[in-house]
Amino acid sequence: SQTIHQWPATLVQPVGSPLSLECTVEGTSNPNLYWYRQAAGRGLQLLFYSIGIDQISSEVPQNLSASRPQDRQFILSSKKLLLSDSGFYLCAWTKGHNEKLFFGSGTQLSVL
Amino acid sequence: QKEVEQDPGPLSVPEGAIVSLNCTYSNSAFQYFMWYRQYSRKGPELLMYTYSSGNKEDGRFTAQVDKSSKYISLFIRDSQPSDSATYLCAMRHNAGNNRKLIWGLGTSLAVNP
Repeated sequence: SQTIHQWPATLVQPVGSPLSLECTVEGTSNPNLYWYRQAAGRGLQLLFYSIGIDQISSEVPQNLSASRPQDRQFILSSKKLLLSDSGFYLCAWTKGHNEKLFFGSGTQLSVL
Repeated sequence: QKEVEQDPGPLSVPEGAIVSLNCTYSNSAFQYFMWYRQYSRKGPELLMYTYSSGNKEDGRFTAQVDKSSKYISLFIRDSQPSDSATYLCAMRHNAGNNRKLIWGLGTSLAVNP
């Protein structure tokens, strides 16, 4: 069966520090991968989308970047965090045109 | 006006009650409608998926779509404390294009024993 792993679960970082969140999917190949951010009162916001290795689409211009160095690995990064980067970050995957989105357990990021 | 409107609640009901959760939308082109359940500090999980108008039932859950009114509902029968979560609606007009999913803000539900 397919599983998605996301870590860490909680992260507290100072303003200006770098960020690296990692997500991996097991039990499938060539998944479509997504990074979402969920902030209080703002709902789920799609940040990045990837259909394959090194194929990344940015949905919202911002302080973050994403990379997909391996088929089932998706990384969210920042060189310098802002206060506004605080939120709940979720990785998700789908297979082909499958309608179902499968989410990881999320990372609660607090930038202080 | 937001494309999808969802009352954030919180909604508090006694165990065994029938719960009605709703979303309204403005884009008449939406054809695919989903309900996700999200427990605290967890990722959302898909509960119900509906194409176009009509009802869909799965156990205690019923999803209803009224395209003429641009209104979707999720009904939970015989609600349980384990149903306490945030319920998110999501919708889009193209098949298989999750980049274009539009999300509601979610309704927080508490089922009290």
